Amino acid sequence: GENVEQHPSTLSVQEGDSAVIKCTYSDSASNYFPWYKQELGKRPQLIIDIRSNVGEKKDQRIAVTLNKTAKHFSLHITETQPEDSAVYFCAAGASGGGADGLTFGKGTHLIIQP
Amino acid sequence: DAGITQSPRHKVTETGTPVTLRCHQTENHRYMYWYRQDPGHGLRLIHYSYGVKDTDKGEVSDGYSVSRSKTEDFLLTLESATSSQTSVYFCAITVAEGIEQYFGPGTRLTVT
Repeated sequence: GENVEQHPSTLSVQEGDSAVIKCTYSDSASNYFPWYKQELGKRPQLIIDIRSNVGEKKDQRIAVTLNKTAKHFSLHITETQPEDSAVYFCAAGASGGGADGLTFGKGTHLIIQP
Repeated sequence: DAGITQSPRHKVTETGTPVTLRCHQTENHRYMYWYRQDPGHGLRLIHYSYGVKDTDKGEVSDGYSVSRSKTEDFLLTLESATSSQTSVYFCAITVAEGIEQYFGPGTRLTVT
């Protein structure tokens, strides 16, 4: 089955700086890579996703890049703000096999220092 | 919130008792999932359903069973709860024929 590794487990950055979270996956059949943000006591919220037919996707201050050859993808947050503090999860799955569910990384606790 | 609710939201139960968690959706989504979330493990898939009476096992299905007799309800049952099943349980759905998953609010289960 799929295995998703996520690094780092904790990331502390100064407000206004950029943050990068990296994930690797093992199954070459995976072609869908979402990122979720989870605030304390809340549900995971989908913030951005990328499919394997594109290399990069951007939405305001967040972007995701994908390297299919190396089987890794990354989340980039620029101009970080206090409200970006949360746990972020990457995941991998196969569209069309969406019924099989997603495989998640173990999460990154992002701390924005004022 | 993709029209997903979970009940109960919090439950404390004793070891050996049966427990059923309910996921209810109002938008006729075909695919539904149960995950558990534990510190250091992220979210792990327990069971999923691709239609009424159609279910399959996920990564951590031992000790759990599911049923889906109606499109809108997906039930997760712990036949005999153990302390290792103390966790936060999330239900999720995918919308239409896509793959994007959206989560319910979660159920915090404590087995004493």
